[in-house]
Amino acid sequence: KAGVTQTPRYLIKTRGQQVTLSCSPISGHRSVSWYQQTPGQGLQFLFEYFSETQRNKGNFPGRFSGRQFSNSRSEMNVSTLELGDSALYLCASSLGTGWNEQYFGPGTRLTVT
Amino acid sequence: QKEVEQNSGPLSVPEGAIASLNCTYSDRVSQSFFWYRQYSGKSPELIMSIYSNGDKEDGRFTAQLNKASQYVSLLIRDSQPSDSATYLCAVMRAGTALIFGKGTTLSVSS
Repeated sequence: KAGVTQTPRYLIKTRGQQVTLSCSPISGHRSVSWYQQTPGQGLQFLFEYFSETQRNKGNFPGRFSGRQFSNSRSEMNVSTLELGDSALYLCASSLGTGWNEQYFGPGTRLTVT
Repeated sequence: QKEVEQNSGPLSVPEGAIASLNCTYSDRVSQSFFWYRQYSGKSPELIMSIYSNGDKEDGRFTAQLNKASQYVSLLIRDSQPSDSATYLCAVMRAGTALIFGKGTTLSVSS
């Protein structure tokens, strides 16, 4: 069974631009969560989607948004990029919300210059 | 108080020894507990999940949970150099998100 895939793997953007990241969950998984990982803050939860609905949201500004499609694929968008948005963005999939184990994709490394 | 706390390390053990990794959490109603391993430059990999008080064993790994003490640990027996990585503890309350600790770096020397 294929794992979680994320595209692109690497991105370099300029401050003020916007970016869209994509995540395809494990087949049969309906929940997708997004995390930001930085050396200083560690892994921080951005949001979770299940059945095309946002179920939980972390403490990030409104510049960070996401959506989920009917095939469970998810995208996250960051508008008006700031230098501090440079991070590894990780997507994790699980069968459903709540208790289930989450499996991470390889991540997208975003560098904002 | 941080929600999930781990000693950042590094924890250094010789090959063949037992490595003991610890984690405490602040939310008493947390119900699900996970250990992830993350190699440098890679994404986290789920290695153990535990939901009930007591021990859960999987190969060389044993997770231990004590909800009264709000404490979860991971023991790695017969540690190998390939176990050298950062180990992340994660905690979840039903219907909410996974909350991660900052991780403990383990170094196994041959």
